[in-house]
Amino acid sequence: EAGVTQSPTHLIKTRGQQATLRCSPISGHTSVYWYQQALGLGLQFLLWYDEGEERNRGNFPPRFSGRQFPNYSSELNVNALELEDSALYLCASSDGQGLRETQYFGPGTRLLVL
Amino acid sequence: KNEVEQSPQNLTAQEGEFITINCSYSVGISALHWLQQHPGGGIVSLFMLSSGKKKHGRLIATINIQEKHSSLHITASHPRDSAVYICAVRGGGGADGLTFGKGTHLIIQP
Repeated sequence: EAGVTQSPTHLIKTRGQQATLRCSPISGHTSVYWYQQALGLGLQFLLWYDEGEERNRGNFPPRFSGRQFPNYSSELNVNALELEDSALYLCASSDGQGLRETQYFGPGTRLLVL
Repeated sequence: KNEVEQSPQNLTAQEGEFITINCSYSVGISALHWLQQHPGGGIVSLFMLSSGKKKHGRLIATINIQEKHSSLHITASHPRDSAVYICAVRGGGGADGLTFGKGTHLIIQP
């Protein structure tokens, strides 16, 4: 069974540009979570999508947005990039069957903003 | 907002030693996760707990809901266990993502 996949693995952008990160969940999983791991800050919850709807978002500005497609894959968009957006962005998926499901993590996308 | 505290932050031990990593949280939860992150950044889910104890190979995880505390134990530690171990909780309502501890950097020396 294929795991969670993310693309690209690395992304270099300059301040003010937009970045698009992609995530494909495990087959059969309907929930996708996005997390940011910035240097020195640890992992932080960004966004949660389930069945195509945004269910919740963490404490991030509106320039962090995303969507979930009918095939449950997901995109994270970061507009007007700032230097502090440089981080590892992790996607996780779960089967969305309850509050206690295991989340399976992808390998991450390393975003560097210059 | 749940506060998740892990201890110790850093731990260096010799191969074969019994390892304990602790996690405390401030608000009632629906589930607690133990994650392992290797230097390349990849994260593996080790356990998801809502009560009691779970065991997988040399890894054991326990949770005490009343005390808001969980422990991860590694028996017969091995250098390949060297990684960052992260505790993460999901709130009582389950309506948000995980809240993470800062992680425990574990190094097992041969």
